[in-house]
Amino acid sequence: SQQGEEDPQALSIQEGENATMNCSYKTSINNLQWYRQNSGRGLVHLILIRSNEREKHSGRLRVTLDTSKKSSSLLITASRAADTASYFCAPKGRGSSNTGKLIFGQGTTLQVKP
Amino acid sequence: DTAVSQTPKYLVTQMGNDKSIKCEQNLGHDTMYWYKQDSKKFLKIMFSYNNKELIINETVPNRFSPKSPDKAHLNLHINSLELGDSAVYFCASTKEGQGLSSTEAFFGQGTRLTVV
Repeated sequence: SQQGEEDPQALSIQEGENATMNCSYKTSINNLQWYRQNSGRGLVHLILIRSNEREKHSGRLRVTLDTSKKSSSLLITASRAADTASYFCAPKGRGSSNTGKLIFGQGTTLQVKP
Repeated sequence: DTAVSQTPKYLVTQMGNDKSIKCEQNLGHDTMYWYKQDSKKFLKIMFSYNNKELIINETVPNRFSPKSPDKAHLNLHINSLELGDSAVYFCASTKEGQGLSSTEAFFGQGTRLTVV
């Protein structure tokens, strides 16, 4: 299945610290996407990294992808209280057989304490 | 304009009733999804449609029936509601046309269904 598994399930840090979340998956992918969900809201796309990319940055976010280990990590630097949310990864398989298959796991719940 | 809109935002109903949740996207996407999120935050895929064709139909009771009248709409009808159906339901859309790499998904705000 294309489901990603996030680790850890929960993470609590102080404001200003860095937060790292990991995602593992089982089959080959076309891309891997990270999303954030604030309490009571829908998921919001953060970053998409393609299978031929190893690292990608967006503001305070850094995503890495290791296709040999079938894993990705999301690093949030200099965290803020507003980063408190759940974070989900979604590995996306290749080809038309994977159309309509965007599957999420349980996510990592991040709490950033002021 | 809201990219993916679902209605209603809140739905409180009694066991045994039939209800519908509507979803519309104005992004020109060709693939739409329904997800169920329980109290443990697990986001479970229920259905997906690509160009009005059913792609994924996970192990969901047949009391749940999706309907896609066109590419911009994917509605969810639930018959004989049960207490265990209480959850937040999310609609999402992406562009995943043939030969294209998929793009990011846009989510609706969610419908909080409470069955009493």
